[in-house]
Amino acid sequence: AQSVTQPDIHITVSEGASLELRCNYSYGATPYLFWYVQSPGQGLQLLLKYFSGDTLVQGIKGFEAEFKRSQSSFNLRKPSVHWSDAAEYFCAVGPMEYGNKLVFGAGTILRVKS
Amino acid sequence: EPEVTQTPSHQVTQMGQEVILRCVPISNHLYFYWYRQILGQKVEFLVSFYNNEISEKSEIFDDQFSVERPDGSNFTLKIRSTKLEDSAMYFCATGQGEGTEAFFGQGTRLTVV
Repeated sequence: AQSVTQPDIHITVSEGASLELRCNYSYGATPYLFWYVQSPGQGLQLLLKYFSGDTLVQGIKGFEAEFKRSQSSFNLRKPSVHWSDAAEYFCAVGPMEYGNKLVFGAGTILRVKS
Repeated sequence: EPEVTQTPSHQVTQMGQEVILRCVPISNHLYFYWYRQILGQKVEFLVSFYNNEISEKSEIFDDQFSVERPDGSNFTLKIRSTKLEDSAMYFCATGQGEGTEAFFGQGTRLTVV
């Protein structure tokens, strides 16, 4: 069965510091991979996606993620965190056959201290 | 920028009552989804809908739930007889098809009392 693991429930970083949020997935084939961000009381905004090609993908707000097939990982990174990045981040995996469900991780809550 | 619109943003209902959650998809999208997020828990898939029929549903999506697109624009989720455990944020998502991402609405927070 498909599953997504985000091992860190909470992460606190200082403003200006670098960030890496971990995501591991279990899937029988190469999936589509996504990172979404959710601010309190808001919906899910897509940060970036991986479908195929270059394994390092760039997203909005200065985020990037790297797909590592050998490690079944899709970690999210940002070189310098801003206070406005404080939110909850979800990794999700979907099948290549679009029209089916996304499976989400449990989320990582990012706190940014000034 | 086109967006998925959900109404209402908040709904409080008594246990046993029927509720209908509404979603206006992005205009050229063909695939429609409902997800829910119980407070403090994962976002969970409920159902996907394509070509006027359900293409997949989860075990959560039992006989109390139904979806339809009655007028070709709105996409609705109906819960026939709400239970306390149906309290959650419900997200609608829509997409164009293979190789594209799903766009999520802002959600409807349903509280069953």
